Amino acid sequence: AQTVTQSQPEMSVQEAETVTLSCTYDTSESDYYLFWYKQPPSRQMILVIRQEAYKQQNATENRFSVNFQKAAKSFSLKISDSQLGDAAMYFCAYPYNNNDMRFGAGTRLTVKP
Amino acid sequence: SQTIHQWPATLVQPVGSPLSLECTVEGTSNPNLYWYRQAAGRGLQLLFYSVGIGQISSEVPQNLSASRPQDRQFILSSKKLLLSDSGFYLCAWTPGQGINTEAFFGQGTRLTVV
Repeated sequence: AQTVTQSQPEMSVQEAETVTLSCTYDTSESDYYLFWYKQPPSRQMILVIRQEAYKQQNATENRFSVNFQKAAKSFSLKISDSQLGDAAMYFCAYPYNNNDMRFGAGTRLTVKP
Repeated sequence: SQTIHQWPATLVQPVGSPLSLECTVEGTSNPNLYWYRQAAGRGLQLLFYSVGIGQISSEVPQNLSASRPQDRQFILSSKKLLLSDSGFYLCAWTPGQGINTEAFFGQGTRLTVV
């Protein structure tokens, strides 16, 4: 099945705290990439971070990092030192068959001042 | 550099009227092209994707159709709009080769069917 699952429709975090958004996916491939996108109120889709499946090291981009568990097919996003500007919808994505980009249902993140 | 243009940004159409949304990509060749729909506060639903001219894969049986008349042009159409067609439509592209690149999105079209 070509599915990407985000089980948290909404999450909330206090400013300066850390929050983790979950994502699982289904694949039989061994070499692939995974992506997290942010969609702020402007609705422009912005790439946050990407992970290469054959790399054991988790990707990091400033305050954003992933916890990639290949065997479990889990790809969670950790946001450290949360800022008000982090409030957005977050989507994880997986490109099935290298040309079929599928997204999860999204997690709406609220950042409380 | 590559750019993607999607228009119009906003559209209000009556029920039963036709629809045509256009998306073009510049600065690349043979891209994979996508149409997604996003209901208010919801996730992205893949409607169509295309790996080449005239090649369209449909994911959801519905009132919409897509066409790719040129390599970098992707059109979303309907002959008769339904109220349920309202939503936010996003066009996107990825390179035709390779697995390590992100999807690049247009600005989106907010369609309201009244």
